[in-house]
Amino acid sequence: DTGVSQNPRHKITKRGQNVTFRCDPISEHNRLYWYRQTLGQGPEFLTYFQNEAQLEKSRLLSDRFSAERPKGSFSTLEIQRTEQGDSAMYLCASSFGGADTEAFFGQGTRLTVV
Amino acid sequence: SQQGEEDPQALSIQEGENATMNCSYKTSINNLQWYRQNSGRGLVHLILIRSNEREKHSGRLRVTLDTSKKSSSLLITASRAADTASYFCARRTGANNLFFGTGTRLTVIP
Repeated sequence: DTGVSQNPRHKITKRGQNVTFRCDPISEHNRLYWYRQTLGQGPEFLTYFQNEAQLEKSRLLSDRFSAERPKGSFSTLEIQRTEQGDSAMYLCASSFGGADTEAFFGQGTRLTVV
Repeated sequence: SQQGEEDPQALSIQEGENATMNCSYKTSINNLQWYRQNSGRGLVHLILIRSNEREKHSGRLRVTLDTSKKSSSLLITASRAADTASYFCARRTGANNLFFGTGTRLTVIP
């Protein structure tokens, strides 16, 4: 499968624990996005990478959230000291080239904080 | 939503009818894209319209863009039960961000 891959698909964690999600974009896609989506809402932008550089972060991304994209390939999103409000679907997308390109989405990681 | 709103929030139609969804936004765009999401799954790109384009077609899909009104519409003709999904518009700002609206939940009744 050459699409965007996200792992794990589901994660249940206790409040206060740290979690890390991984996203493997489509090979050679230089752009990578993270979004958060809650039930009945649209995806909310969290952060964006061009190659290994994190070019933009949403104000939604508190200091408990950190994202990396070492070597411009896969990316990780870590949430420290999880809170119940962090429960959501975390979506990763990648694209190649300039502005007039579509984004390809992974299936997402569903996080439940209990 | 971060940057846009879809209208209506929910739409229910009979199979064979046309479905129209609207999207409004607040700031300038490079392009506007429409995506589809089946329940609990990732988003799939449908169509992209550039800021200097006014209308675009792809199969049963027709998208219009009015930059003076900062709005776009997605028309699905001859709907099918398989078109049941949530539809989102996404605004591309500059060369980077892609901001999504709140979505329209379309139900096509067989």
